[in-house]
Amino acid sequence: GENVEQHPSTLSVQEGDSAVIKCTYSDSASNYFPWYKQELGKRPQLIIDIRSNVGEKKDQRIAVTLNKTAKHFSLHITETQPEDSAVYFCAASSGNFNKFYFGSGTKLNVKP
Amino acid sequence: KAGVTQTPRYLIKTRGQQVTLSCSPISGHRSVSWYQQTPGQGLQFLFEYFSETQRNKGNFPGRFSGRQFSNSRSEMNVSTLELGDSALYLCASSYTGVQGELFFGEGSRLTVL
Repeated sequence: GENVEQHPSTLSVQEGDSAVIKCTYSDSASNYFPWYKQELGKRPQLIIDIRSNVGEKKDQRIAVTLNKTAKHFSLHITETQPEDSAVYFCAASSGNFNKFYFGSGTKLNVKP
Repeated sequence: KAGVTQTPRYLIKTRGQQVTLSCSPISGHRSVSWYQQTPGQGLQFLFEYFSETQRNKGNFPGRFSGRQFSNSRSEMNVSTLELGDSALYLCASSYTGVQGELFFGEGSRLTVL
């Protein structure tokens, strides 16, 4: 089955700096990669996703890049703010209905 | 629209007991998935149901089972509980049947003593 690895497990940045979280996947059939944000004590919520037919997608301060050849994708957050502090999960899907493989999560701490 | 509702929110059981968790999806969502969340392990896929049919199952022992009812509400059951089953169990519903956005509930936190 698919294996998704996520790094780093924790990330601390100064407010205003950029943050990058990286994920690798093993199944070349995976073609959809969402990112979920889970604030402390709250439920995970989708923040951005990318499909394998594009290499990059942006939404205001967040962007996701995908390298199909290397089987890795990354989340980029620019101009970080304290409210960006949360656990971020990457995930991969090969189109097997709604079965997703999640990474182990990255705890992002943005220091004011 | 009401969000995904999970009950109970917290429960404590002892080894060997069994537990049933319930999930009510967002109205109109027919896909319901279950995930186990533990520190450092992320979200591990348990199973997914769509229109009362289990379409996918994760790599969990047979002690973990689930079902979906005609109104899309879902239950999961864990029998013969083990200490390692202590976790947050998240239910997620989706409107789309394939690679849909997952809308998560707040979870049921199970502690096994």
